[in-house]
Amino acid sequence: GENVEQHPSTLSVQEGDSAVIKCTYSDSASNYFPWYKQELGKGPQLIIDIRSNVGEKKDQRIAVTLNKTAKHFSLHITETQPEDSAVYFCAASGGDYKLSFGAGTTVTVRA
Amino acid sequence: GAVVSQHPSWVICKSGTSVKIECRSLDFQATTMFWYRQFPKQSLMLMATSNEGSKATYEQGVEKDKFLINHASLTLSTLTVTSAHPEDSSFYICSARDKTGPSYEQYFGPGTRLTVT
Repeated sequence: GENVEQHPSTLSVQEGDSAVIKCTYSDSASNYFPWYKQELGKGPQLIIDIRSNVGEKKDQRIAVTLNKTAKHFSLHITETQPEDSAVYFCAASGGDYKLSFGAGTTVTVRA
Repeated sequence: GAVVSQHPSWVICKSGTSVKIECRSLDFQATTMFWYRQFPKQSLMLMATSNEGSKATYEQGVEKDKFLINHASLTLSTLTVTSAHPEDSSFYICSARDKTGPSYEQYFGPGTRLTVT
């Protein structure tokens, strides 16, 4: 099955700086790569996703890049704000629509 | 739009009893619903996939007789934890795929915190 690795496990950034989280996946058949933000005690919230036919996607301060050849994708958050503090998960999915999640990154934005 | 609810949001039960968790898609019809379990400070682990009107498909290592899943309609799936034990204490989260929307996107519920004493 699919194996998704995520790094780093924790990330502390100064408010206003950028945060980058990286993930790699193992199954070349995977073609959907979402990113989720999870706050304590809540369910995951989709923040951005990318399909395999696209190399980059941006939504305001959030961007995702995908390198299918290398099987890795990254989340970029610019101009970080305290409300960006949360746990972020990457995931990968293929034809069976099942999501395989990375281990998560705890992001702390220091004011 | 695309709201998924879960009920209850938290539940405490005694060891040996059963507890049912509901997952509802409020404003869309869900082709498929997924059930995940998340232990503290860990990632989400897929337990099973349920399609309306058919039997659920369980992931390896998940006991289908212990975690009963019923997907009776396009808007409701239930997870029953039977003969619960303290090790079943966890955060249970469901998600749903919209029958008519982008095919890959899953909408997640707010989760149910189960504590078995």
